Amino acid sequence: DSGVTQTPKHLITATGQRVTLRCSPRSGDLSVYWYQQSLDQGLQFLIQYYNGEERAKGNILERFSAQQFPDLHSELNLSSLELGDSALYFCASSSQNTEAFFGQGTRLTVV
Amino acid sequence: GQNIDQPTEMTATEGAIVQINCTYQTSGFNGLFWYQQHAGEAPTFLSYNVLDGLEEKGRFSSFLSRSKGYSYLLLKELQMKDSASYLCAVRTGGFKTIFGAGTRLFVKA
Repeated sequence: DSGVTQTPKHLITATGQRVTLRCSPRSGDLSVYWYQQSLDQGLQFLIQYYNGEERAKGNILERFSAQQFPDLHSELNLSSLELGDSALYFCASSSQNTEAFFGQGTRLTVV
Repeated sequence: GQNIDQPTEMTATEGAIVQINCTYQTSGFNGLFWYQQHAGEAPTFLSYNVLDGLEEKGRFSSFLSRSKGYSYLLLKELQMKDSASYLCAVRTGGFKTIFGAGTRLFVKA
């Protein structure tokens, strides 16, 4: 158990809908990262937060947004969903100079 | 731009040694990580290099050359359970961690 919790584990939704994925980081970790992994693809960096502030942005679509709350949990919002958004979404957390610990991921299926 | 390259697939025999290479070009460098990922599961941390040289941890070793933008992961005494994807990741100057596409390793008997 990495200590990073993601909910839900699975999500099936229709095209055009909006969903929210939730992540609770390890106790004490201030950084939260979001990654997308499509079938048989590598991890694509979406966005990073540090202590509530956006720190780095990757190839995150405008339809996607995220935030980190004062209690350090984070949410990734995906809207106007398309079939191609079907993927595993991972959240990871870390301290300043340590490795990232990953949650088990949310498997999103858009039908 | 920022780029991390790894071979797509490798095959090796149980009990053998395999070396997985990674080259990178990033804006700034704050460390290189190797992760193992079994299909459908979360990546798990294997090693971290921030200075040049070799870091050894049991059957796994990782090497870094910052001047060459190059790292490798060495797996010894391969076991069937080592069949997985191996991800090279670089923490950049902005403390963003970027992952390569991963190398899928197949270990055969």
